[in-house]
Amino acid sequence: EAQVTQNPRYLITVTGKKLTVTCSQNMNHEYMSWYRQDPGLGLRQIYYSMNVEVTDKGDVPEGYKVSRKEKRNFPLILESPSPNQTSLYFCASKRPGGTANGANVLTFGAGSRLTVL
Amino acid sequence: GEDVEQSLFLSVREGDSSVINCTYTDSSSTYLYWYKQEPGAGLQLLTYIFSNMDMKQDQRLTVLLNKKDKHLSLRIADTQTGDSAIYFCAESKSSASKIIFGSGTRLSIRP
Repeated sequence: EAQVTQNPRYLITVTGKKLTVTCSQNMNHEYMSWYRQDPGLGLRQIYYSMNVEVTDKGDVPEGYKVSRKEKRNFPLILESPSPNQTSLYFCASKRPGGTANGANVLTFGAGSRLTVL
Repeated sequence: GEDVEQSLFLSVREGDSSVINCTYTDSSSTYLYWYKQEPGAGLQLLTYIFSNMDMKQDQRLTVLLNKKDKHLSLRIADTQTGDSAIYFCAESKSSASKIIFGSGTRLSIRP
């Protein structure tokens, strides 16, 4: 089944304790992205990657790192989490060039709910 | 800058039609999307429309686009309890460009 898999789905941690949220896709998509979802703010892009070894900042990159060593994986790293990073995180991917008619269609993971105390 | 706005909540009675509205600011938007997020799940594409179209219909869903007013709506006919979800409006210029999401509209269904 074509999917984007995130782990963990739920995590409670403490301020300053490094953590990694993994993301893996099995669709051979070149483009991958991380979003955070907060009430009333919708989805905000954290980082994205157009291809292996190519990553770029989104709208809210502060406090996050990413890496793209392989096409299928795009982990999100919080080196020193803070309470304002408590949020619901989504990883997404899409095929290059979008659909046959050029539309952007993202496939999302199920989300990772992170709480930083 | 680019912005997509939606109201946060909508409540409708089961069997009625739901209309979720969205406005966007970027007149060069080429594609406009509706994504659905069910509880505990990620977003899934519901439908999308090209900016050169006024309307798109797919079973119970009707998308209307008023490009002059930069207004997009999603109508769900005969709303069912399974339609309870958050609906996100989004726009992009091309397959290579960023997708801008609205804040999402939470649709709740009354019996």
